[in-house]
Amino acid sequence: DQQVKQNSPSLSVQEGRISILNCDYTNSMFDYFLWYKKYPAEGPTFLISISSIKDKNEDGRFTVFLNKSAKHLSLHIVPSQPGDSAVYFCAAPLSGGGADGLTFGKGTHLIIQP
Amino acid sequence: DTGVSQNPRHKITKRGQNVTFRCDPISEHNRLYWYRQTLGQGPEFLTYFQNEAQLEKSRLLSDRFSAERPKGSFSTLEIQRTEQGDSAMYLCASSKTGYGNQPQHFGDGTRLSIL
Repeated sequence: DQQVKQNSPSLSVQEGRISILNCDYTNSMFDYFLWYKKYPAEGPTFLISISSIKDKNEDGRFTVFLNKSAKHLSLHIVPSQPGDSAVYFCAAPLSGGGADGLTFGKGTHLIIQP
Repeated sequence: DTGVSQNPRHKITKRGQNVTFRCDPISEHNRLYWYRQTLGQGPEFLTYFQNEAQLEKSRLLSDRFSAERPKGSFSTLEIQRTEQGDSAMYLCASSKTGYGNQPQHFGDGTRLSIL
């Protein structure tokens, strides 16, 4: 039973434009969310996180938005660059405080077109 | 500051054999996690340690799976009597305790192939 869902297996965006990756969750007790980026043959790399007490967190070209009433978060990448082509995973801790393991979505493969 | 290190990177073995993977976390991280990832899925949480204490192991996939972290530094994941369905990427992650939420940092994984 997937508690974190990424419903778009892939997304193609032109270089320089905005990439928007979406994630929905079912457990209203989640208090922290993370985005990871994964290149082939490498482990996931932490990108950005957001606490449930915030609705936005920004780090350079990456911004995560959280809509608690809709149980939805999104990752915005502006401007998109060729090196952003990767699989992006949304994740949340299985229990409070972040000490437990993470539950992940299935990922969205982002392809940046030149 | 080196990242999480996993060995071996690839393991090919025959069905029924035992396999052991090693994970060396980031040096100041006292929490260590094991995950399994299969094709088209996100990582699936298996177990975690805080220092040498295994605080969660109910999500280990069967009693053929076990993990240790004897001195609170490196960890091993063992799979006994391997089966075809065990073929997957096994990922290790580590994090530190501290104020607020601390992200987990992953190694590059061990890819297991069962013949």
